[in-house]
Amino acid sequence: AQSVTQPDIHITVSEGASLELRCNYSYGATPYLFWYVQSPGQGLQLLLKYFSGDTLVQGIKGFEAEFKRSQSSFNLRKPSVHWSDAAEYFCAVAGSGGSYIPTFGRGTSLIVHP
Amino acid sequence: KAGVTQTPRYLIKTRGQQVTLSCSPISGHRSVSWYQQTPGQGLQFLFEYFSETQRNKGNFPGRFSGRQFSNSRSEMNVSTLELGDSALYLCASSLGGADEQFFGPGTRLTVL
Repeated sequence: AQSVTQPDIHITVSEGASLELRCNYSYGATPYLFWYVQSPGQGLQLLLKYFSGDTLVQGIKGFEAEFKRSQSSFNLRKPSVHWSDAAEYFCAVAGSGGSYIPTFGRGTSLIVHP
Repeated sequence: KAGVTQTPRYLIKTRGQQVTLSCSPISGHRSVSWYQQTPGQGLQFLFEYFSETQRNKGNFPGRFSGRQFSNSRSEMNVSTLELGDSALYLCASSLGGADEQFFGPGTRLTVL
């Protein structure tokens, strides 16, 4: 069965600092990988996705993620964080058994200090 | 293009009652999925409907049911509500397959 681990429940960064959110997945073949963001009181918005090809994926809002098969990781990065990036971030994996239904990690809450 | 809409946005019910939540997908999307989000369990998949047929189902009791209409709108029903059913219920639509899921803002259900 597919699963996702986001080791960090909370991360605090200063505005302007770089950011890396960790995501490790468990899946037998090449997975479909996603990062979503959720602002308070809102649904989830897709930041980026990886299906195949280039392992460095560019997303919206200046985010990128790198798929590393050897480490079963799909970490999310941003070179300079803005206060508006404060939100909950979810990593998800799909593709097991031919199903495209994503399994989500527990999320990482990003706090941005001015 | 209008996004996914969910109604109502907030709902308060008492134990033992039943509730129906509604989801209108993005025009042209035939797949609608439902998720339950709680602080304790995170995001959990309830079920997916595609062209009026339940295609996938999560690990939830039979009290949770859903349906999809010919216009792809979907409803989710929870009968005999329990306190633990208090959650944010999210609906997501897509074209199907590996296509991106677009999420609605959710319905916040509180069971007293």
